Amino acid sequence: DIVMTQSPDSLAVSLGERATINCKSSQSVLYNSNKKNYLAWYQQKPGQPPKLLTYWASTRESGVPDRFTGSGSGTDFTLTITSLQTEDVAVYYCQQYYETPFTFGQGTKLEI
Amino acid sequence: EVQLVESGGGLVQPGGSLRLSCAASGFTFSSYWMHWVRQAPGKGLVWVSHINTDESIRNYADSVRGRFTISRDNAKNTLYLQMNSLRAEDTAVYYCARVGAQCSSTGCYLYLQHWGQGTRVTVSS
Repeated sequence: DIVMTQSPDSLAVSLGERATINCKSSQSVLYNSNKKNYLAWYQQKPGQPPKLLTYWASTRESGVPDRFTGSGSGTDFTLTITSLQTEDVAVYYCQQYYETPFTFGQGTKLEI
Repeated sequence: EVQLVESGGGLVQPGGSLRLSCAASGFTFSSYWMHWVRQAPGKGLVWVSHINTDESIRNYADSVRGRFTISRDNAKNTLYLQMNSLRAEDTAVYYCARVGAQCSSTGCYLYLQHWGQGTRVTVSS
């Protein structure tokens, strides 16, 4: 199985500042034939289901504010949230969909 | 608008069974692969299973293989998860989710674009 490891486990950032969450996969999730990284980021607020933020590592889902940016390739990925807002307080998960089982990172709790 | 509504959760004794349902609307259910993902109390997300459009492909996490069965009824726009031989460690909120686009019936490696609100399963004596 592909192991997804996020860092840090928790993060406190001031309002208006930048938050950076890292995700590392135990093997590459870059599919060479189409040059796509099979990596998604989700946001989960308390008592709510996860919400898709980005996919293919860097494609932002419709309706997601542009302060959320996914980047990276191969085994190393980053979710950057610029100009942090109070509504961004949540747990963030990366997930690989390169192969089954479609594993998630352990989550990063973002606080203000 | 895509809607996924899970039901069927509850309290069950160890060794018991439960069948979860996920009613889908707002899209052509028969055209999309579907997934189950669970989340134990205070823990992270864990992928459980997925199924293709005609039920010919079903995959499971090792932790549930042989005990859980995923299925679907395209006429009723409903996804199911039959859970047998339940254990305390199966206690979780179970989410159904839809992939982001239509895929080949032979393989689908896509992100989970739409999620239900979840149904809670508690396995305890």
